[in-house]
Amino acid sequence: AQRVTQPEKLLSVFKGAPVELKCNYSYSGSPELFWYVQYSRQRLQLLLRHISRESIKGFTADLNKGETSFHLKKPFAQEEDSAMYYCALKRDDKIIFGKGTRLHILP
Amino acid sequence: DAMVIQNPRYQVTQFGKPVTLSCSQTLNHNVMYWYQQKSSQAPKLLFHYYDKDFNNEADTPDNFQSRRPNTSFCFLDIRSPGLGDAAMYLCATSRGPWDTEQYFGPGTRLTVT
Repeated sequence: AQRVTQPEKLLSVFKGAPVELKCNYSYSGSPELFWYVQYSRQRLQLLLRHISRESIKGFTADLNKGETSFHLKKPFAQEEDSAMYYCALKRDDKIIFGKGTRLHILP
Repeated sequence: DAMVIQNPRYQVTQFGKPVTLSCSQTLNHNVMYWYQQKSSQAPKLLFHYYDKDFNNEADTPDNFQSRRPNTSFCFLDIRSPGLGDAAMYLCATSRGPWDTEQYFGPGTRLTVT
């Protein structure tokens, strides 16, 4: 069964420190993976997708098929990064979300 | 410039009393989705419309129904809400089922008393 696992419910990181939000997936085909973000009092929105190999707001994520992982990273955390982050997998015409990790940036 | 609008933002209903949640979009997207999200859980897809074509998830209870009278609007009807249906309900849209990006509304938080 296709599944997305985010092992951490909460991650607290000091401002300026590196951030890594973990995501593992199980999928039998070639996965399309994404990170969605929800800032306080805002709607859920797409942050980045693995196909684009882009850096958004300083965040990057590399698909590691050997480890079936798609961890989200940023070298230097900023206070405005505090949010809920969801890793997601596209299967057919649907998106399967992980349970999310709340990132709290400490001043 | 709201693109996906959900009304109301907060809804309180009584156990067993039918309730309807509303979603509208200004994006002219072909697909509209309804998700249920309970506390500390992943958003769970209930069903989606591709144009007028309704697609129900296998594990969506019969208690949940949906209507899409036109491209812009989609409704979620809960025929007999139970306490376990209290959740955040998210509406989302995409250009098509091939599209990898979904645009979400702010959600409606449903309380069942």
